[in-house]
Formats: sequence, structure tokens, C-alpha cells
Amino acid sequence: ETGVTQSPTHLIKTRGQQVTLRCSSQSGHNTVSWYQQALGQGPQFIFQYYREEENGRGNFPPRFSGLQFPNYSSELNVNALELDDSALYLCASSLRLAENNEQFFGPGTRLTVL
Amino acid sequence: AQTVTQSQPEMSVQEAETVTLSCTYDTSENNYYLFWYKQPPSRQMILVIRQEAYKQQNATENRFSVNFQKAAKSFSLKISDSQLGDTAMYFCASWGHSGGGADGLTFGKGTHLIIQP
Repeated sequence: ETGVTQSPTHLIKTRGQQVTLRCSSQSGHNTVSWYQQALGQGPQFIFQYYREEENGRGNFPPRFSGLQFPNYSSELNVNALELDDSALYLCASSLRLAENNEQFFGPGTRLTVL
Repeated sequence: AQTVTQSQPEMSVQEAETVTLSCTYDTSENNYYLFWYKQPPSRQMILVIRQEAYKQQNATENRFSVNFQKAAKSFSLKISDSQLGDTAMYFCASWGHSGGGADGLTFGKGTHLIIQP
């Protein structure tokens, strides 16, 4: 069984740039959720993708967008980067409609915006 | 909307001691789940234990157990016989079932647990 993987591990960007983060879900999982974890904070839910469509969203602006592909992998795109976007971005996969929504997390991508 | 509060930013205990991490939550859901996640310095979030709100029996996983007080909306984690490898950030999280799985987990701010040799 392959776990959740994310790339890249670290990334440095400047304000105003755009970034794409990638996630491969655990085998057998069809749903991907993205979280932002600022330093010293708990993760915050950005959005979830199921069947290649956004299926739920937290309190994040539209410049945070995503994609899910037929193989259930996913991308998180952030446009017009701001300094406050510096954070650890976590991807989690799960099986849609599983009763307890157990989510399996990847190791994260550390994004630094200068 | 759901909220999760962890009031202990940091705790430190000696190896082999028992430690309890506190968590309170608020939710309007009738059917919900509560979780404790561990995040070691490697950053990967690992599920420690989960509790279904409709089950009165407290969940147990080896050295980890919870004290779930539904009326008080309290969900504490007890770690028995603590080990050096238990050193990590611990996050309490909730999830409401009525969203059909479309809502994410709601996390607390975490407790940094340090196990001293």
C-alpha cells in the first residue's frame, strides 16, 4: 500500500508569484483534502476534491484553487502569493463516504514567501 | 461550525510517566467524530486514536486512551508509560458527519509534548 506523497518538500517564492503543489493520494482513496498549517498553529482546511470537483471549502480566498486528476492525485495552486501564505501545506487522502472520514496525511510542502 | 480548543501549549513529563492532554470542542452536529493526531518533527501527521460521538465507550489503542465526556464536550488523551518517541505536537480534531464528508477536519492549536529521559 502506497502512502500519501507530496512534492516538492520545500519551496521559496516571492510575493505576487504563483505556486503549484502536488499530492498523490494513498492507493484506494478517491478524495483529497488540502490544509494550511501556519507556524505554531493547527492545520486549517482549504478545500476537498472528489471526482475531480471541489467538494467543500474552508475560509480561503479564490486565489487558492485546485485540481484533481482521474488517478485521484491533486494539485493546489496559489496565485498572487502573499507573505502570510508562508506555511506548511498538508495533503490528506481518504475514502469518500467512509463513515469516519479517516484522513491519511502526507509529509507536507513547506512554502516560504519572501 | 465547529471549534476545537487545546489550552495546554506545552507539557513536559518524565519517561514512563502518564500524561493527559486536554481538548474541548463545540459542534452543532449530532453525529461527529473526534480524533487525536500526532505530528513529530518529521511533520507527517499520524492518527493516534479516534472516537465516534455516538459510542459511550472510551476508545483505547495500546498505551493511548481517551476520556470522552459528551455533555461537557471534552475529549482528553491519556498516554500511559510515556516513551521518548512520544515527543511531538498533538492535535485534537473534530469532523461532523452531516457534511457528507465534504468538510474538512477542524483542528485545535496543538500541545507540544516533551518526554524527558
